Amino acid sequence: GAVVSQHPSRVICKSGTSVKIECRSLDFQATTMFWYRQFPKQSLMLMATSNEGSKATYEQGVEKDKFLINHASLTLSTLTVTSAHPEDSSFYICSALGGIFSYEQYFGPGTRLTVT
Amino acid sequence: QKEVEQNSGPLSVPEGAIASLNCTYSDRGSQSFFWYRQYSGKSPELIMSIYSNGDKEDGRFTAQLNKASQYVSLLIRDSQPSDSATYLCAVNQAGTALIFGKGTTLSVSS
Repeated sequence: GAVVSQHPSRVICKSGTSVKIECRSLDFQATTMFWYRQFPKQSLMLMATSNEGSKATYEQGVEKDKFLINHASLTLSTLTVTSAHPEDSSFYICSALGGIFSYEQYFGPGTRLTVT
Repeated sequence: QKEVEQNSGPLSVPEGAIASLNCTYSDRGSQSFFWYRQYSGKSPELIMSIYSNGDKEDGRFTAQLNKASQYVSLLIRDSQPSDSATYLCAVNQAGTALIFGKGTTLSVSS
């Protein structure tokens, strides 16, 4: 089956530093990946859509200069949280689309970010 | 604004009973419908997908879709304590991001 990995699974960083989260499709090529964020007891909220070789599309209210997304290959998308603050502490989850006309998405295991 | 609505619960059922979870969506253009299970601190896990009106059964799970009513449901038969989790309803069109509901918390007591 389609497998998506994320690294790291947990990260603790100091306020003001930057953190990079990697999302990889291990056994398929993903032209489109999505980044979600989930705060405690809330549902997944879409942050951005990442397309290989082009700029990401950000949802309203998500700062593109703070959350940098790079999708340089068909198997890797990265999310960099720049100048992280405690309010950025959250569960970040990526998903990969099975194909350009696919309905199904395959989720990574998530990254728990804690900013102190 | 595309929305997916779920009753947040908690829904409590005894072991062995049928749990019924419901979801409505606002976008009539939605083409695919999913139920995910999420345990605390974990990523969502796909349980069922359904694309056409009617019922779809997979083991103890049955998904029901009524596009005219913009309604999706999930039935869990013979509920087990291990089914206790948050169930997320999600919809999308081909190639687009999933839109999630806020989830229904299910508690199955032994």
